[in-house]
Amino acid sequence: DQQVKQNSPSLSVQEGRISILNCDYTNSMFDYFLWYKKYPAEGPTFLISISSIKDKNEDGRFTVFLNKSAKHLSLHIVPSQPGDSAVYFCAASYLWGGATNKLIFGTGTLLAVQP
Amino acid sequence: DAGVIQSPRHEVTEMGQEVTLRCKPISGHNSLFWYRQTMMRGLELLIYFNNNVPIDDSGMPEDRFSAKMPNASFSTLKIQPSEPRDSAVYFCASSLELAGQGAVNEQFFGPGTRLTVL
Repeated sequence: DQQVKQNSPSLSVQEGRISILNCDYTNSMFDYFLWYKKYPAEGPTFLISISSIKDKNEDGRFTVFLNKSAKHLSLHIVPSQPGDSAVYFCAASYLWGGATNKLIFGTGTLLAVQP
Repeated sequence: DAGVIQSPRHEVTEMGQEVTLRCKPISGHNSLFWYRQTMMRGLELLIYFNNNVPIDDSGMPEDRFSAKMPNASFSTLKIQPSEPRDSAVYFCASSLELAGQGAVNEQFFGPGTRLTVL
């Protein structure tokens, strides 16, 4: 059973416009959410995160929004740039085993930013 | 810092053969994770070590999969015997877990090993 879902396998956006990537989760115990970005032939790299006590976190062109009642989060990229073209993974976590954290990832969304 | 190192980067083998994937975590990190990436299921956690001790192996598909971490700087993931459905990209990641911090620690991923089982 997929606890973290990214229902859009791909998204195409024009350069300069906004990219919105969506993620849904089913486990209400999740209290921390992350976005990772992955280029071909590389491992995923951390992009931005948000704690469940917040509903928005911004870092430059990247903003993550969290709607706990809907169990939904989204990543906004504005303005989108061709270098943003990559696979974006949503991940959720909860404190588990004390200080250790286990990440549950979605299936990823391939973003293509057209010049 | 060299980051997380994985070897080999590509592995092609025949069904029934033993496959060993290797990982060197970032120096000083105390947690190590093995993931498998497939189109259908995304990134799945296979097993997770903390201070070289396996903490959660609930994601290991079956007895054909085993993982070891003999010391803080090396881990292996072994598949024996391998099957075509094991074909995927396998990632190793490491992080520094701080006791009592109550926060999610960033995981640093290696470049992955692309495994093809014919």
